[in-house]
Parts: sequence; C-alpha cells; structure tokens
Amino acid sequence: DTGVSQDPRHKITKRGQNVTFRCDPISEHNRLYWYRQTLGQGPEFLTYFQNEAQLEKSRLLSDRFSAERPKGSFSTLEIQRTEQGDSAMYLCASSPGQGRGYTFGSGTRLTVV
Amino acid sequence: AQSVTQLDSQVPVFEEAPVELRCNYSSSVSVYLFWYVQYPNQGLQLLLKYLSGSTLVKGINGFEAEFNKSQTSFHLRKPSVHISDTAEYFCAARGGATNKLIFGTGTLLAVQP
Repeated sequence: DTGVSQDPRHKITKRGQNVTFRCDPISEHNRLYWYRQTLGQGPEFLTYFQNEAQLEKSRLLSDRFSAERPKGSFSTLEIQRTEQGDSAMYLCASSPGQGRGYTFGSGTRLTVV
Repeated sequence: AQSVTQLDSQVPVFEEAPVELRCNYSSSVSVYLFWYVQYPNQGLQLLLKYLSGSTLVKGINGFEAEFNKSQTSFHLRKPSVHISDTAEYFCAARGGATNKLIFGTGTLLAVQP
C-alpha cells in the first residue's frame, strides 16, 4: 500500500453541477478524515469516520455536502449544486488510531466556474 | 475553542542558514502537536509529532521541534536549510476528546541561494 489515494486530482465544474470525490485510505487505517483547504489557508476539518460510522461533522459542512464510507474502506465526498465558494483543495487523511499520525492524500482540486 | 497560531506568514532565509518557524497553540487540556510540510499542488507530509515524553522531537529531513508547555509553543527548527526545503509549513494540534486536527494558517519558508 503506497498511501492515501484521491481521485480525481483536478475537477473543473460549472456552478450548479454535482461533483463526487473518492478517497482510498491506507488499508489498515480505520479512521478517515476530510479537510478543505483554500488558497493561503491551512486545512479546515470537514468530517471524520471511524470505520463506516460518521462520528463528527463540522458546521462548515452545509447540507449540500455529504460524505459516506459504506464499508469502512474507501470514502466519497459529494457536493451538490456547487457554488464558486466551493472552489478549494479537498484533502483526505487516514490514521490507525487516536493520537497517531495522520497520512494525507494529494488532494482533489475543485474549480467551480 | 482550540486554536493554532503561526505568526509568520513568510520566512525568507539564505541557504545553509538556520531557521525557526514559530507555532503557538491554545488548549486547556493535554494536546498532541504536529508539523506538516506541503509542496506546491501536493498533500501534506508529516515532519514530526509530539504525543508525550521528551519535549524535543526529531523529525524527517533534519527538522526538530520543542514542546514548551509553559509558553504553549511548538517551534520548528533546522540548523541548516537547503533550497529543497522551500515549501509551506503547517503546525497542527489535536486536543482533548476530539479527533480533528486544527491547523495554523501556514508559514512559507523561502530558501534563497
């Protein structure tokens, strides 16, 4: 296993369209996180899964955003009715347990035009 | 609420000179601290982490950081930088019962020949 994989690397979409991103964590990691990073800022927490259970969601995650991890392995993040303000880098991370290091993927860069 | 402050948005330094990137955190409970590096259009790579024990933590690429509880600081240092160290550096903290990392706004280390 070479790390956390995210697909696609880049996505350009028109305002109002729906987009879905995928994250494949390191196989033995039971915890998975989604972060959003805008230009010049540090990553902001969006949501966290332990196995298939979504245990924490940020208030940043509006009702247009939904994340799933159906079998406790890969995860998807969907944004409905995209807005220009959704343009950002979406980062996924995984970890083997509390307090341990988080391994980040290379991110999906979303541009909403 | 927990927060992480990186006062320096950019630190210019000449090659082979020492560097210190500052990080302060606010937390009323025990805290785990991390430094990540981000190269352009890439995800975050863990440099080092403090979980407990020795307050001086050594990481990859010759970096080290010192946890100072009384000053609530976790400054990153390297005795001699290389051109290849040019990147964005993020300090992050996780405290208490939460599983999410809180990031600072980042410091751009610009190494000049």
